Amino acid sequence: GENVEQHPSTLSVQEGDSAVIKCTYSDSASNYFPWYKQELGKRPQLIIDIRSNVGEKKDQRIAVTLNKTAKHFSLHITETQPEDSAVYFCAEGTGNQFYFGTGTSLTVIP
Amino acid sequence: NAGVTQTPKFQVLKTGQSMTLQCAQDMNHEYMSWYRQDPGMGLRLIHYSVGAGITDQGEVPNGYNVSRSTTEDFPLRLLSAAPSQTSVYFCASSYLPGNTEAFFGQGTRLTVV
Repeated sequence: GENVEQHPSTLSVQEGDSAVIKCTYSDSASNYFPWYKQELGKRPQLIIDIRSNVGEKKDQRIAVTLNKTAKHFSLHITETQPEDSAVYFCAEGTGNQFYFGTGTSLTVIP
Repeated sequence: NAGVTQTPKFQVLKTGQSMTLQCAQDMNHEYMSWYRQDPGMGLRLIHYSVGAGITDQGEVPNGYNVSRSTTEDFPLRLLSAAPSQTSVYFCASSYLPGNTEAFFGQGTRLTVV
């Protein structure tokens, strides 16, 4: 949606390298920022989320950072593996709605 | 516990036809929503509901109707299908709107010819 900008739209990395996807948002009242992974032909599924009172959250190889002042948040995937290949969406939770980014197609090259 | 169940998985319609996409959840979530997914445009909100009897419009509501007579069900109706409505549709539910994980159905790939 227009509230959330996501970059890059496509990303290719070598297996074992890191991948970073960035999102910016506009609503300063937003307080929940999830990331979804969508494999080809499948439904989006939550992989990690962060709330506005936290600056960073980590879960094994994935981490999310949030800068509320600058209104941007990022997904970091380390030691990428071929099964990380998918489309990743960021989202901003505000009011009664989620606004999603336009997605990043990540390809991990073996 | 099936989560969010959407039917049908695929559908082809002729221009002008009407149809209903079904969505049901068994997690007792108050919040349900419908999105369409188009290449390069992410997930765009069509309609949402914060509880039985309450619905509201999202970003792209034109050409679609919804109703919420029960907590479990949230059908999406296409009144007169147009080629511009060719898309993949996802239903989602969450415990709190905009503040907790959204669980998605498996999606409906709709083609309008």
